[in-house]
Amino acid sequence: TQLLEQSPQFLSIQEGENLTVYCNSSSVFSSLQWYRQEPGEGPVLLVTVVTGGEVKKLKRLTFQFGDARKDSSLHITAAQPGDTGLYLCAGATNSGGSNYKLTFGKGTLLTVNP
Amino acid sequence: DADVTQTPRNRITKTGKRIMLECSQTKGHDRMYWYRQDPGLGLRLIYYSFDVKDINKGEISDGYSVSRQAQAKFSLSLESAIPNQTALYFCATSAPNTGELFFGEGSRLTVL
Repeated sequence: TQLLEQSPQFLSIQEGENLTVYCNSSSVFSSLQWYRQEPGEGPVLLVTVVTGGEVKKLKRLTFQFGDARKDSSLHITAAQPGDTGLYLCAGATNSGGSNYKLTFGKGTLLTVNP
Repeated sequence: DADVTQTPRNRITKTGKRIMLECSQTKGHDRMYWYRQDPGLGLRLIYYSFDVKDINKGEISDGYSVSRQAQAKFSLSLESAIPNQTALYFCATSAPNTGELFFGEGSRLTVL
């Protein structure tokens, strides 16, 4: 069974601070996805990283895929209250042909206080 | 309008009742999924379907059944609801080559 460990589970910070969320596994993934879920909504895809060592930036969010494709991190610079939400990572493994199996982490609940 | 629509958004029911949660999508994706989300447990896959004639169990299918009525419709049924099925349920679709999921807004089910 593949597991994705996310840390921290909860994070409460002040507006303007920086933070990093980690997603770790002993398994290799073909790609890794990050989602954000706001209260009362479904998760929304933020980014997919595919290549080991890849770094992608989305405004103040920086996503990195580990060289061995077993781990990933999400760094937020100068957090804002609008960044509040549950951040989920999901590792994808190819289960044959064009079929992918997704393994979700349990999420990091981020609260950014004004 | 949302690409993935779930009904009802909220439902309170009693133990032993039959419940159906419905999902429809306008994304044109063949692949559809049902997940449940519980605090501290994350998202867990209940059932998935890669096309109308393909239904597969996920990691927690016991107590649930599904029906894929059309490419755009995928419903989840609880034949006899029990309190530990109280959860937030999500329908999702995916594109075939990336596995990236598009979620509905969720159906919150409470079983008393």
